[in-house]
Amino acid sequence: EAGVAQSPRYKIIEKRQSVAFWCNPISGHATLYWYQQILGQGPKLLIQFQNNGVVDDSQLPKDRFSAERLKGVDSTLKIQPAKLEDSAVYLCASSHSGNTIYFGEGSWLTVV
Amino acid sequence: KQEVTQIPAALSVPEGENLVLNCSFTDSAIYNLQWFRQDPGKGLTSLLLIQSSQREQTSGRLNASLDKSSGRSTLYIAASQPGDSATYLCAVEYGNKLVFGAGTILRVKS
Repeated sequence: EAGVAQSPRYKIIEKRQSVAFWCNPISGHATLYWYQQILGQGPKLLIQFQNNGVVDDSQLPKDRFSAERLKGVDSTLKIQPAKLEDSAVYLCASSHSGNTIYFGEGSWLTVV
Repeated sequence: KQEVTQIPAALSVPEGENLVLNCSFTDSAIYNLQWFRQDPGKGLTSLLLIQSSQREQTSGRLNASLDKSSGRSTLYIAASQPGDSATYLCAVEYGNKLVFGAGTILRVKS
């Protein structure tokens, strides 16, 4: 069974530039999550989708972050404009009906 | 506020030693609790999931316990090996949301 796929794995951008991350969840998983993990901290939920609807985006900085899951399968997370404090690993995860959550290997962002 | 705390932040032990990692949470109205492993540069791998109605789960050399009333969970690793070196994260599920601790960095010396 293929796991959660994310790309790009690594990205370095200058502050005020934009970046987009892509995630393809495990086939059949209705729930998709985007987490932000800053070095030395645990992951923090940014947004959760159930199919193509948003369940929770309370911790998403909506002035600069956006995410979509138009067809209820893959998802894109965008940051525009990026700030230095956005340097982190962006983890995508998926689950099926509240069971075990499976994580991708993450997209590492460095903002300089 | 739902917070998860992990102690210690880092731990270094000699190979073969048994060890315990601790996790505490402020809101006891949990759905379940998971322990994850994270290797450097990698994503998270689920190790054990304990439903709120359960007291413990075991997988190989790993045993996780849950005490909802005291807001605590422990991860016990028996006969530690250098390959166990990683960051271990505790995550508590509230409804559909996972709240993570900051993790314990484990180093097992050969």
